[in-house]
Amino acid sequence: EVQLVESGGGLVQPGRSLRLSCAASGFTFDDYAMHWVRQAPGKGLEWVSAISWNSGSIGYADSVKGRFTMSRDNAKKSLYLQMNSLRAEDTALYYCTKGAPRGSGGRWGDWYFDLWGRGTLVTVSS
Amino acid sequence: EIVLTQSPGTLSLSPGERATLSCRASQSLSSTFLAWYQQKPAQAPRLLIYGASNRATGIPDRFSGSGSGTDFTLTISRLEPEDFAVYYCQQYGSSPPLTFGGGTKVEIK
Repeated sequence: EVQLVESGGGLVQPGRSLRLSCAASGFTFDDYAMHWVRQAPGKGLEWVSAISWNSGSIGYADSVKGRFTMSRDNAKKSLYLQMNSLRAEDTALYYCTKGAPRGSGGRWGDWYFDLWGRGTLVTVSS
Repeated sequence: EIVLTQSPGTLSLSPGERATLSCRASQSLSSTFLAWYQQKPAQAPRLLIYGASNRATGIPDRFSGSGSGTDFTLTISRLEPEDFAVYYCQQYGSSPPLTFGGGTKVEIK
């Protein structure tokens, strides 16, 4: 079955860290760029970060730049998001999504999302 | 950053009626790099349309997308009970960042 399964969310105090994971199955993971998208409770969707198929290029939203680090392990078919210096405004459901296929060249980060995980909830509160 | 504005915020319609949702970009999009998603409560978003007018795999033909430049439309020709949900547009012609609209809720009248 083609799917993405996120894990690692939870309740964390402001200023602390958390590491999210996403396990992919049913497709050739290292053929695709991957993204994280988040959704605050009752709010809309916000793109967080993206990584190319070979980790050669990584991009972040300004709201998380310098605090979050995205990575992937193609051998394990896994995606990660290391979140440091967490703030209350980072509270959200974090989705792992599949992006551009290898070969999209300069458009590796410019893509739509045809596969989403169910999300993992991160709550930042004291 | 390209800002997407969706209207209306809420659309109250009856099953069988036609729904027309708007997405306006703050600047012209490269080509037609716009997608539409449907999200139901407690579910992840589902891709409906990409490239402004291409239906994703398995999406019924009552869903159609159109538009170019700064103005895009999602049309649901005849609303089915399962179509009542929140709909988001997303631009992918200019990143980072990729951006989403604020959403339109289609509710039962």
